[in-house]
Formats: sequence, C-alpha cells, structure tokens
Amino acid sequence: AQSVSQHNHHVILSEAASLELGCNYSYGGTVNLFWYVQYPGQHLQLLLKYFSGDPLVKGIKGFEAEFIKSKFSFNLRKPSVQWSDTAEYFCAVLLTGGGNKLTFGTGTQLKVEL
Amino acid sequence: GAVVSQHPSRVICKSGTSVKIECRSLDFQATTMFWYRQFPKQSLMLMATSNEGSKATYEQGVEKDKFLINHASLTLSTLTVTSAHPEDSSFYICSAPPAGGNEQFFGPGTRLTVL
Repeated sequence: AQSVSQHNHHVILSEAASLELGCNYSYGGTVNLFWYVQYPGQHLQLLLKYFSGDPLVKGIKGFEAEFIKSKFSFNLRKPSVQWSDTAEYFCAVLLTGGGNKLTFGTGTQLKVEL
Repeated sequence: GAVVSQHPSRVICKSGTSVKIECRSLDFQATTMFWYRQFPKQSLMLMATSNEGSKATYEQGVEKDKFLINHASLTLSTLTVTSAHPEDSSFYICSAPPAGGNEQFFGPGTRLTVL
C-alpha cells in the first residue's frame, strides 16, 4: 500500500526564517501531489499541486514545492515565513487511476514566533 | 473555487444515538465524495468513498453498518454514525472533486462529541 511520510512533526521558526517541510511517498507509478494547509479552526485549503510538467510548483502565499521523482519527494518551501503561516501542513498523494483517493501524510505543525 | 459545505459544524450526542452529517457541493456536481476522519493532532484517514447512485466503498477496518453513507444526489452525501459511542468522537471531514476533475475540495468538517 502506498504511504506518505512527513518527517517533521513539529517545526518552530522565527518570522523571516526560511521553511522546508519534507514529504516522501512510496509508490512507483504516476502520482499527483498536493500540499494542504489547515489554519487553526479552519478547514483544509489547497496550497499547491503537481500534476505534470515543471517539477517546481508555485502556490499561494509564497509557497513552492519541488517534485523530485528520483527521490519520491515533494518538499514544501517558503523563503521567509510569517506569523500568519502558523498552521498544520499536510502532504497528500493521489494515484492516477486510483479512484481519486488521497493518501495524507501525518502532518507538520508549524509555529512561527514573532 | 468550488465550495463544499458540511452540516452541522458541531454536534454533541448521547451514547447509543445516531447522528447524521451532511456534505454538500454548493456550486458543482460531484459523482464521488469522500469521508475522512481526523483525530486530534493526527492526519486525515479516509473512511469511505461515496458514490452517487451506488453503494459506498469502505476502507479496510471501517464498519459499513456503523457508518452509513448515502449519496442521494450529485450535490449531497450523508454520513450517519449509528449507535454512537465515545470512541466515535472525532472530526469528520468530507471532500469532493468536481466531475471529471481530480482536485478535491474540502468541507469545513464536523466535530462530533459522544458523551
């Protein structure tokens, strides 16, 4: 069965620090990749997605992610975080031809301190 | 973007009662909807896939008789937690991809507390 790993469970950063959250998946076929964010008390929102093409994907709020097929990775980055980025971040993988079922990673709780 | 709503947002019930949660796609049609469960500080776990006009497909370990799913129309799926127990207390989230698409839009979730 496929799995999605997020190695950083809790991350604490100061404002303006750079962010990189790791995401690795275990599946050799064609995948679609997503990063979602869940702000406190709010529902999941899509940050960015990769379906095909340029492996460097830019999303909302200054986030980007790079798909490295050889490493089965889709790490999320932001050059300078803000206090408002405090949230939980989930990586998710969708197998093409897999009935649209998303598999989520365990999530990374990001806290940005002033 | 597409909007998915859930009702109620919070529900508290007594042990042994049943609770129905609605998931609606407000501005698009969805032949498929997904139901997830999220425990505190944990990830979303897919419970079942709701299929319009046919039976839902459940993930391994999810009791289909306890979590009844009905996909009554192209914009509505319901999840009924039957004979709820305290261990069913959780955050239930639905999602839906617009027909023909593979990006899912998530509802705001329903917080269920069983006393």
